[in-house]
Amino acid sequence: DAKTTQPNSMESNEEEPVHLPCNHSTISGTDYIHWYRQLPSQGPEYVIHGLTSNVNNRMASLAIAEDRKSSTLILHRATLRDAAVYYCILRGSGNTGKLIFGQGTTLQVKP
Amino acid sequence: GAGVSQSPRYKVAKRGQDVALRCDPISGHVSLFWYQQALGQGPEFLTYFQNEAQLDKSGLPSDRFFAERPEGSVSTLKIQRTQQEDSAVYLCASSTGQHSYNSPLHFGNGTRLTVT
Repeated sequence: DAKTTQPNSMESNEEEPVHLPCNHSTISGTDYIHWYRQLPSQGPEYVIHGLTSNVNNRMASLAIAEDRKSSTLILHRATLRDAAVYYCILRGSGNTGKLIFGQGTTLQVKP
Repeated sequence: GAGVSQSPRYKVAKRGQDVALRCDPISGHVSLFWYQQALGQGPEFLTYFQNEAQLDKSGLPSDRFFAERPEGSVSTLKIQRTQQEDSAVYLCASSTGQHSYNSPLHFGNGTRLTVT
């Protein structure tokens, strides 16, 4: 499975936008980019996914580089409830669909 | 609607005891996954079911770990002769299974196992 690289931690102020980067230089053409987040004492929660084009949903936006070697998860206005570990995961079409988690980015949101 | 339900929420076992952890997936979900999460780490894949068939058990750490899903719905993860290194949160997830690389996984809140 192709690997992703994320910063260990990031800080943000409440009500400001947050850009969470992810590098995946060995991504293959059939790999989808998935983002999950894990709040304290909870299981991971699906956030968003994409293949080539930028994606928006009610939780976040996903910006994918043209060469697909990196992507950025954008939270438009961070709230205290967005404090969590964010995981960027590549998911290939040829496997069972299992997710391989890395260490993720721990996001702290300051009031 | 109802999400993935796991029980018990917490389990304390003495070293050497057997434990059974239950997962109730979302109704109709074909795919079911088990993960193990040690403190401060990301979840690690243990095993995968498609309906009642266990298609991938490559992540099970030893033959003390056994999972089943006999009727393609509820699943049980059993750990025999527990050891201290088995202490972790055990997460269950389910998905519709269609276009498996695309359908999101829905996770339960896990069972925290502490082996003393």
